[in-house]
Amino acid sequence: GENVEQHPSTLSVQEGDSAVIKCTYSDSASNYFPWYKQELGKRPQLIIDIRSNVGEKKDQRIAVTLNKTAKHFSLHITETQPEDSAVYFCAASQGNKLVFGAGTILRVKS
Amino acid sequence: SAVISQKPSRDICQRGTSLTIQCQVDSQVTMMFWYRQQPGQSLTLIATANQGSEATYESGFVIDKFPISRPNLTFSTLTVSNMSPEDSSIYLCSVKGQGVNSPLHFGNGTRLTVT
Repeated sequence: GENVEQHPSTLSVQEGDSAVIKCTYSDSASNYFPWYKQELGKRPQLIIDIRSNVGEKKDQRIAVTLNKTAKHFSLHITETQPEDSAVYFCAASQGNKLVFGAGTILRVKS
Repeated sequence: SAVISQKPSRDICQRGTSLTIQCQVDSQVTMMFWYRQQPGQSLTLIATANQGSEATYESGFVIDKFPISRPNLTFSTLTVSNMSPEDSSIYLCSVKGQGVNSPLHFGNGTRLTVT
């Protein structure tokens, strides 16, 4: 089955700097890659997703890149703000079942 | 996206007892899933709730421990049976709407503590 690895487990950045979180997946048949943000005590919320027919997708300060050949995808957050502090999860799927990475705790220091 | 109502939001239960968690969606959805999130951990799929038939369980999860019902397209329950402290987790209902490209959304979760 699918296996998703996520790095780093913890990331601290200064407000205004960029943050990058990387994930690799094992199943070459996976074709959908969402990212979720989970604030403390709250539900995971979808922030951006990408499908395998696209190499990059951007939404304001957030972008995701996908390298199908290498089977890895990354989340890029620019101009980080304190409210970006949360746990971020990547996931991969082929079909309806998502397999999640272990999560990255992002701390934005003001 | 669909509004997902999950209850209870939290509960403290004694070992050996069972708890049933309810998930109600405000619109018809094609897929409903139950996830578990252990303290400080990632999200693990327990099962896919199938309408009108037995749920499809992932490796490591069994029907006797986590019976699931889905009588219609908008409602599902998850029961955590014969609980032990190791069952202390957040249990999350999630739904996928109609359409091949519909994303997955989560309910607010049920924080379960077993003493």
